Amino acid sequence: QVQLVQSGAEVKKPGASVRVSCKASGYTFTDYYMHWVRQAPGQGLEWMGWINPKSGGTIYAQNLQGRVTLTRDTSITTVYLELSRLRSDDTAVYYCARDVGTPPENWFDPWGQGTLVTVSS
Amino acid sequence: DIQMTQSPSSLSASVGDTVTITCRASQSISSYLNWYQQKPGKAPKVLIHDASSLQSGVPSRFSGSGSGTDFTLSISSLQPEDVATYYCQQSYSTPLHTFGQGTKLEIK
Repeated sequence: QVQLVQSGAEVKKPGASVRVSCKASGYTFTDYYMHWVRQAPGQGLEWMGWINPKSGGTIYAQNLQGRVTLTRDTSITTVYLELSRLRSDDTAVYYCARDVGTPPENWFDPWGQGTLVTVSS
Repeated sequence: DIQMTQSPSSLSASVGDTVTITCRASQSISSYLNWYQQKPGKAPKVLIHDASSLQSGVPSRFSGSGSGTDFTLSISSLQPEDVATYYCQQSYSTPLHTFGQGTKLEIK
């Protein structure tokens, strides 16, 4: 079955960087774009960006430009989120989610289990 | 940027009730609107895509309607397992996606 498995929780200091991984299985990795979405404690969902696993092309949310980088390793069917210059308001659960459908008729399914990133001094 | 506004932000209903959640877009998004359910401590799960298409495996008590700027998610015969936060999401401006702020549903 289609599955996305993310790396474990991280604790980082302000100003540091964090990398979260998302390993995909159960489908052809390069056939589906991958999104990242985050959720601060008690808050709603914030779309962060997407990556085309085939080409490596990326699109980022404007408010994260310059701090977020999405990459992929097709040999191990894994996508990565790197967020730099961390601030306390980056504390959140970070999700990867596969894009399905044909744009603009596209939605996210399935989602990874989430990775908690805590930024604290 | 397209803004998505959900109402109400929270609601409480009894088992067996029918509940309706509304999502309004700041501009027309045709039918490019999806609904997700997020249970406490879990990742979101898609319920409805393209405004009214029920995702495979989702109970038929869930339904969606609307087009343009106004959309609704309805849950008929509410069940205890429907306790969750529900989010709408627009894909009209793909690859840029935006979510509503969420509606928290509780059982009385």
